[in-house]
Amino acid sequence: GENVEQHPSTLSVQEGDSAVIKCTYSDSASNYFPWYKQELGKGPQLIIDIRSNVGEKKDQRIAVTLNKTAKHFSLHITETQPEDSAVYFCAASPTNTGKLIFGQGTTLQVKP
Amino acid sequence: GAVVSQHPSWVICKSGTSVKIECRSLDFQATTMFWYRQFPKQSLMLMATSNEGSKATYEQGVEKDKFLINHASLTLSTLTVTSAHPEDSSFYICSARAGPGGDQPQHFGDGTRLSIL
Repeated sequence: GENVEQHPSTLSVQEGDSAVIKCTYSDSASNYFPWYKQELGKGPQLIIDIRSNVGEKKDQRIAVTLNKTAKHFSLHITETQPEDSAVYFCAASPTNTGKLIFGQGTTLQVKP
Repeated sequence: GAVVSQHPSWVICKSGTSVKIECRSLDFQATTMFWYRQFPKQSLMLMATSNEGSKATYEQGVEKDKFLINHASLTLSTLTVTSAHPEDSSFYICSARAGPGGDQPQHFGDGTRLSIL
């Protein structure tokens, strides 16, 4: 089955700097890769997603890149702000199951 | 758009009681809903997948008689933890997906923190 590895587990950046979180997946049949932000005591919030027919997608300060050959995808947050501090999860969805397989999560701390 | 409401947000009950958690998609119809469990500082673990009008599909290791799932309408799924015990204490989160394809977004509720005394 699908396995998703996420790194780093914790990331601390200064306000205004960029943050990058990387994920790798194992199942070449996966075709959908969402990223979620989870604040303390809340459910995950979808912040951006990408499908396997696209290599890059951007939404304001957030971008995601996908390398199908290498089976990895990354989240890029530019001009970080303290309110970006949260736990971020990547996920992959194999076409044959439609389920989301989550990475282990990255705790991002943005220092003012 | 794509709001999922989960209720209650927090429940404390005695060991041996049953607890029902509701998950509603407020502004879209959800053909498929999912139930996850999350332990502190850990990732989400899928418990089961439910499609409207059919029986839920449980992940390996999840007791279907312990965690009863009902998806009676396109906007409501319920999870009932039967005869709950302290080891069932956890954060339970539902998600809803509008379309049948795995490449359609899942939208999550804000979770239910269950504490069994």
